[in-house]
Amino acid sequence: AQSVTQLGSHVSVSEGALVLLRCNYSSSVPPYLFWYVQYPNQGLQLLLKYTSAATLVKGINGFEAEFKKSETSFHLTKPSAHMSDAAEYFCAVSVNTGGFKTIFGAGTRLFVKA
Amino acid sequence: GAGVSQSPRYKVAKRGQDVALRCDPISGHVSLFWYQQALGQGPEFLTYFQNEAQLDKSGLPSDRFFAERPEGSVSTLKIQRTQQEDSAVYLCASSLGASGGLTDTQYFGPGTRLTVL
Repeated sequence: AQSVTQLGSHVSVSEGALVLLRCNYSSSVPPYLFWYVQYPNQGLQLLLKYTSAATLVKGINGFEAEFKKSETSFHLTKPSAHMSDAAEYFCAVSVNTGGFKTIFGAGTRLFVKA
Repeated sequence: GAGVSQSPRYKVAKRGQDVALRCDPISGHVSLFWYQQALGQGPEFLTYFQNEAQLDKSGLPSDRFFAERPEGSVSTLKIQRTQQEDSAVYLCASSLGASGGLTDTQYFGPGTRLTVL
């Protein structure tokens, strides 16, 4: 069965520092992977997605993620954190159920310190 | 254009009451999803529609939960005889894909926060 594990429920970085949010997946078939961001009182917004093309995926707001099959990972990074990046981030995998459904990780809350 | 909207944004119900939550997807989006997000957790899949057809309802936690999308646009999630464990944010999302594509981007509404007392 497919699943997603996000390491660290909370991550705190200083403004300008590297952001690294970890995600590992479990899938018996080639996965389709996503990162979503949720700002307070707003709906989830897609940051980026991996669809078996390039393993390094670039998303919005300067974020990127690298699909590493050997490590079953899809970690999210941003070279320089901005105060506006403070939010909850969710890694997700899409699975075929005849229709399909998306399985989300538990989320990582990112804090950015001035 | 308009995004996904949900109403009401907040709902307080007494235990045992029935509630109905509405989702207006983006116009023209074929696929529609409902999720339940408990406090401090990620969204959990409830059900999926392709147009008016409910193709997957494997995530509905009990037969008290019922969803419909009769005309392939607006959807309603109904919870009968609400229980305290039903307290959560209920998220609706839609995507353009006609085939429920695994790679389709889902567009989420702001959610309905349900509190059952």
